[in-house]
Amino acid sequence: EAGVTQSPTHLIKTRGQQATLRCSPISGHTSVYWYQQALGLGLQFLLWYDEGEERNRGNFPPRFSGRQFPNYSSELNVNALELEDSALYLCASSFEVHAQPQHFGDGTRLSIL
Amino acid sequence: SQQGEEDPQALSIQEGENATMNCSYKTSINNLQWYRQNSGRGLVHLILIRSNEREKHSGRLRVTLDTSKKSSSLLITASRAADTASYFCATDDDNYGQNFVFGPGTRLSVLP
Repeated sequence: EAGVTQSPTHLIKTRGQQATLRCSPISGHTSVYWYQQALGLGLQFLLWYDEGEERNRGNFPPRFSGRQFPNYSSELNVNALELEDSALYLCASSFEVHAQPQHFGDGTRLSIL
Repeated sequence: SQQGEEDPQALSIQEGENATMNCSYKTSINNLQWYRQNSGRGLVHLILIRSNEREKHSGRLRVTLDTSKKSSSLLITASRAADTASYFCATDDDNYGQNFVFGPGTRLSVLP
């Protein structure tokens, strides 16, 4: 069974540009979560999608957005990139929202120059 | 402040020793999970313990949960160099729409 896959592995952008990160969940998983992990820090919850709908978002500005496609894959878009957006962005998926382990991809390392 | 906070922030031990990490949280929970993260990689799920459970084992891992103290501990016995990683606890939190809230993690270094 293929795990959660994220692309690209690395992404280098400059301030003000836009970035698109992609995530393919484990087959059969309907929930997708996005997290931001700044260097050496813990995970900050960004977004949660389930069955194509945004269910919840963390304390991030509106320039962080995303969507979930009918095949349950997901995209995270970050507009007007700022230096502090440099981080590892992790995607996770699960069968159900509650009481199920989340399965993580290896992330996209976003670097803002 | 964090819903889940691990303690200590960093831990360094010799191979073969036991490692104990703690997690404290603030609100009531339905379950608590522990994850491991190797440097620059995604997180790997280790153990889930439900609020009505007090202890759970998986191989060399032992997790305890004390809901009265709002705390959990992760014990790794007979540690190996390959156990070197960051360990995070995650709690479900209704304030976050039933999402999991991760603590800042404990960085464990196991020296050969």
